[in-house]
Formats: sequence, structure tokens, C-alpha cells
Amino acid sequence: DIQMTQSPSSLSASVGDRVTITCRASQGISNYLAWYQQKPGKVPKLLIYAASTLQSGVPSRFSGSGSGTDFTLTISSLQPEDVATYYCQKYNSAALTFGGGTKVEIK
Amino acid sequence: EVQLVESGGGLVKPGGSLRLSCAASGFTFSSYSMNWVRQAPGKGLEWVSSISSSSSYIYYADSVKGRFTISRDNAKNSLYLQMNSLRAEDTAVYYCARGLLAMARAPLDYWGQGTLVTVSS
Repeated sequence: DIQMTQSPSSLSASVGDRVTITCRASQGISNYLAWYQQKPGKVPKLLIYAASTLQSGVPSRFSGSGSGTDFTLTISSLQPEDVATYYCQKYNSAALTFGGGTKVEIK
Repeated sequence: EVQLVESGGGLVKPGGSLRLSCAASGFTFSSYSMNWVRQAPGKGLEWVSSISSSSSYIYYADSVKGRFTISRDNAKNSLYLQMNSLRAEDTAVYYCARGLLAMARAPLDYWGQGTLVTVSS
């Protein structure tokens, strides 16, 4: 089975900082990669799919890139409301595996 | 407005069974794949199972294969998860989530609020 590894597992950044989260697949998955945001106590929300397509209603400060095995989620200017745990998920094959998550906090 | 409402969670003993339901509204249920995702207390997301729009394709995580069965009733706009031989490690909030596409391999664009399943003696 393909494993999804996220790094870092947590980070602390200042408001306005550029934040980058990495997701690595153990085998190539083309661009079948989604990113989700889960705020504390809330339900996960789809941010990006097909590695770089922004879901409707998601602020443009969020962006995704990558293909094959290496992917990134970038927040161009971190806002207080972005405090959350972010997960990547592959969907190229039967097992829709999630990464372990990256917790983003404000410094 | 898309709504997904899970029910059927609760406390069950190890080895027991439980059936979760998800009532869908606000969209053409028969046109989308559906999924179950769980989250153990304080832990990350774990995909459990997917079913395509017409039930032609069904997938399970290895951790639940042979114990859980996903199904849907498009006439009733409902998704189900039959859980048998439950273990302590199945304790989690179980989310019903809609796939962005009819196929059972798709990102998940709408999520329910979840139902808590606790497996304990």
C-alpha cells in the first residue's frame, strides 16, 4: 500500500508568514492528491484537489503544487483563522490514505 | 444546501456490532460516491470505506476489511456502515463524506458532523 508522509508534524509561524507543508507519497500518484483543513473541534474541509485546484470558496492565499510523489500546500500569508491541522490524502487507487497531519499554530 | 447527518453511534462491547446510517439531502444522492472516514480521539483522519454512486465499486481499508460492510440505498438517500466484530481500536468519531465524483476514488467535498462509536467492556 502507498504511504503518505507529511512534514513537519507541527509548526508555529507568525501572522503574515508564508507557510509550506509537504506531503510525500511512497509511490507515484500522479496528481491525485487532496488537502484538507480541520480546525479545532470542527469537521474537515476540502481545500485543494487534483494537487493544485482550489475548491470553491477557499481563500486564494492557499495553493497546492506537485505531482508524482512530492506535493506542497502553501499558505502565502498566514492568518489567525488558519490555525488548524492540515491533511493530505491520495485518491489514485482504492485506498484513500490520509497523511498524518500537520498542526499549524500562530507564534 | 448539502447536508449529511450520521446516526447509530454509541457504546458497544468488544466483539459486538453496530450499524451506522447517514441521511443525505440537498443534492442528487445517486450521482455521487460516498465514504466513511473515522478519527480516533486526539488522532488523525483514517479513511474507512468508499462506495461508488451505483454501488458497483466498493473499497475498504485493510484495518476493517472482512468486518465492516458499506452499502447505500439511493431511493432513500442513505448510506450505511455495518460494523461487526468490533475492537477497542475501532473507537472513533465516524464521518460520512461525499465524494466529489460518482467514482469511488474521489476527494471528499462535504462531511457530516460525525457520530461517536465507543468500543469498551
